[in-house]
Amino acid sequence: KAGVTQTPRYLIKTRGQQVTLSCSPISGHRSVSWYQQTPGQGLQFLFEYFSETQRNKGNFPGRFSGRQFSNSRSEMNVSTLELGDSALYLCASSAGQADTDTQYFGPGTRLTVL
Amino acid sequence: AQSVTQLGSHVSVSEGALVLLRCNYSSSVPPYLFWYVQYPNQGLQLLLKYTSAATLVKGINGFEAEFKKSETSFHLTKPSAHMSDAAEYFCAVRGGGYNKLIFGAGTRLAVHP
Repeated sequence: KAGVTQTPRYLIKTRGQQVTLSCSPISGHRSVSWYQQTPGQGLQFLFEYFSETQRNKGNFPGRFSGRQFSNSRSEMNVSTLELGDSALYLCASSAGQADTDTQYFGPGTRLTVL
Repeated sequence: AQSVTQLGSHVSVSEGALVLLRCNYSSSVPPYLFWYVQYPNQGLQLLLKYTSAATLVKGINGFEAEFKKSETSFHLTKPSAHMSDAAEYFCAVRGGGYNKLIFGAGTRLAVHP
């Protein structure tokens, strides 16, 4: 079974621009979660989608948004980029049916904001 | 609210020595706990998870962890370190709501010959 894939792997943007990151979950998984990883704040939960609906949301500003498509692929969008948005963005997929389901992580997209 | 504290941001051991990475949790409900490992320029890989079954959980690569409710701990151990174990390790607890993991700050493990 193929793992979680994220594209692109690396991105360089300038302040004020917007960016879209993509995540393809493991086949059959209906839940996709997004996390931001920075040296200062560590790993922080952004949001989770299940069957095209956002089920859970972390404490990030509205500039961070996401969506999920009918094939469970998910995209994350960040508008009006700030220097502090430079981070590794990880997505994770799971079956999403139970609290004990394992989340499988992709390799991440490293975003650099100049 | 749930939270996780990992004691020691850096741990260094000799090859063949015991690995002990510490994790304490806070949770208002019975916790689900996880250990993940991250190698450079990679995502997170699940080592093991505790979901209220056996308190001693065995994972991949020879790692295991013991859930101790009285100590609110879930420490990760491996009897004999290998050079390939050098990585960053994260303890996590299931947070509020669906599929939300709350991570500790991480412990970077160095293994020297």
